[in-house]
Amino acid sequence: DIQMAQSPSSVSASVGDRVTITCRASQDISTWVAWYQQRPGKVPKLLIYEASNLHSGVPPRFSGSGSGTDFTLTISRLQPEDFATYYCQQADTFPWTFGQGTRVEIK
Amino acid sequence: QITLKESGPSLVKPTQTLTLTCSFSGFSFSTTGVGLSWIRQPPGKALEWLAFYYWGDDKRYNPSLENRLTITHDTSTNRVVLILSNVDPVDTATYYCAHSRLSYYDIATGSSEGHGLDVWGPGTTVTVSS
Repeated sequence: DIQMAQSPSSVSASVGDRVTITCRASQDISTWVAWYQQRPGKVPKLLIYEASNLHSGVPPRFSGSGSGTDFTLTISRLQPEDFATYYCQQADTFPWTFGQGTRVEIK
Repeated sequence: QITLKESGPSLVKPTQTLTLTCSFSGFSFSTTGVGLSWIRQPPGKALEWLAFYYWGDDKRYNPSLENRLTITHDTSTNRVVLILSNVDPVDTATYYCAHSRLSYYDIATGSSEGHGLDVWGPGTTVTVSS
């Protein structure tokens, strides 16, 4: 199985900050990575697919990059509604796998 | 518009079989590239991908649970069923179904080009306890 190592596990940030979350795959997965946001008690929502494509309706302050084994999710200017847990997921090979999540907390 | 909704028992006893149903609308498995996954999330823990049903009646499972999982599509209705046998308290979780679209899939190798789990159901919470 492909492992997705996500870091950091948590980050404290303020409104307006730039936040970067990384995900490292255990093998080359090209650009077949998706990123999700999950607010407390809510359903996960797709943010980014194919490493850098913004899902419909997602604000442009979210962006994704990377290919091969290293991927990044960036929130350019953190908003109050962005405090949540973020997950990466590889869609290159079954079984699909998720990272362990990054919790973005209010500083 | 794609919608999904999970249903099933909220409480099951250890060793019993759990049957969950995902009722969907807005898409069809007769369309090339359409897939539906089940994902679960134990309380306070990360997401775990469980199983996948694909256009063409192909199925994929999480190897750690494969001998306990079955995914089927009721072709007469818009429903995908997930069966988890011999449940244990560690199976306590919120279970989600989610739609995805693949631009490539190799049945033999399991290689895929997935465009993310783009629509999710609200989830159903299952507790395993005696």
